Amino acid sequence: AQKITQTQPGMFVQEKEAVTLDCTYDTSDPSYGLFWYKQPSSGEMIFLIYQGSYDQQNATEGRYSLNFQKARKSANLVISASQLGDSAMYFCAMREGSAGNNRKLIWGLGTSLAVNP
Amino acid sequence: NAGVMQNPRHLVRRRGQEARLRCSPMKGHSHVYWYRQLPEEGLKFMVYLQKENIIDESGMPKERFSAEFPKEGPSILRIQQVVRGDSAAYFCASSPPGLAGSGTDTQYFGPGTRLTVL
Repeated sequence: AQKITQTQPGMFVQEKEAVTLDCTYDTSDPSYGLFWYKQPSSGEMIFLIYQGSYDQQNATEGRYSLNFQKARKSANLVISASQLGDSAMYFCAMREGSAGNNRKLIWGLGTSLAVNP
Repeated sequence: NAGVMQNPRHLVRRRGQEARLRCSPMKGHSHVYWYRQLPEEGLKFMVYLQKENIIDESGMPKERFSAEFPKEGPSILRIQQVVRGDSAAYFCASSPPGLAGSGTDTQYFGPGTRLTVL
């Protein structure tokens, strides 16, 4: 079964508007971390935002915020005031557990975001 | 502060040749990870290393693939006798020393090496 599910293969948003990219996850471990990365057409993988399972507040980083709903196991990325440069693939990833040697990230298939002028 | 460095950025090999991919982590980072991305897919974990130690290689194919992170120098991902199915983007990431379970273990990625096997 998919541990990270991104149900939107592609999304469109008008410049300057906000957009929400969905991510649901599946884990039985009470301790985990959730990450969002951006991959523009040039191919590099850029870290955007992190949410820990025990964090009391939703993470925010500039125009990026994470709508973390633990009971629903969702960690949606919200991008406010979209810019043309936001056009890219967006990946949600999870690290399960907090054991010292368990650091591998499990990835979703990504959502392609296109920002229209 | 330079980011994660990977070279080469593009690598073309013929079937049966060897591919050697290099990764220099960010300054101060002691953990290195390798991931593979097939076309139109997310990343798949391959291996996690610290200096001179392989910590988790649960994602590495059993044959032809090996990784090392020596005391001096970059981490190397080595693929022997490449086949067409090895064609992919290979990403290296690094993270600072610190406890897993905190945001300090965020992984920062290099630009990737795109391997094409003819």
